[in-house]
Amino acid sequence: NAGVTQTPKFQVLKTGQSMTLQCAQDMNHEYMSWYRQDPGMGLRLIHYSVGAGITDQGEVPNGYNVSRSTTEDFPLRLLSAAPSQTSVYFCASSSRQGGLGQPQHFGDGTRLSIL
Amino acid sequence: ILNVEQSPQSLHVQEGDSTNFTCSFPSSNFYALHWYRWETAKSPEALFVMTLNGDEKKKGRISATLNTKEGYSYLYIKGSQPEDSATYLCAFIFGNEKLTFGTGTRLTIIP
Repeated sequence: NAGVTQTPKFQVLKTGQSMTLQCAQDMNHEYMSWYRQDPGMGLRLIHYSVGAGITDQGEVPNGYNVSRSTTEDFPLRLLSAAPSQTSVYFCASSSRQGGLGQPQHFGDGTRLSIL
Repeated sequence: ILNVEQSPQSLHVQEGDSTNFTCSFPSSNFYALHWYRWETAKSPEALFVMTLNGDEKKKGRISATLNTKEGYSYLYIKGSQPEDSATYLCAFIFGNEKLTFGTGTRLTIIP
């Protein structure tokens, strides 16, 4: 199994550009989420989804859009990149079988720099 | 925004010594607490999922306890080894399925 796959691994953008960070999982997990990791801030939740067609905002959703058209994919869109969005982005998934609180499986991260 | 606090922020421990650190979280509306191990240049890996007050979990030399009434969890490492060097994260989950992570404890084992 590939687990959680994030692409690209690295990206440099100019302010105002748009892009989509891809996340795919092959574990049939219902729950998927996006985090950003900044120095001294830990992992902060951007958006999450509890199943196909359902998304909700996390702690820091502004400037980001998500959609969940399939169980496998959960792309994160930056509509107009800003330098404040320079960060490392992690996608994670987990099963909802057996109730909430199942461990998260993380992708390898996408390092994004906005100039 | 719920506060999940971890202490200390960083820790240096001599190889062979035992150590522990703390995760504090709001005691109301608790659902679950996770511990993750995060090595440099890798992604976080789950250590424990804890749901019941009084839970104790163990994996090799690493163990964790949970007190939901007072809002804290301890992670213990017995006989530290160089491969234990990592950042240890806890994450709190309350009813709406959002995970809130602490900022982590960065552990360095000194050979």
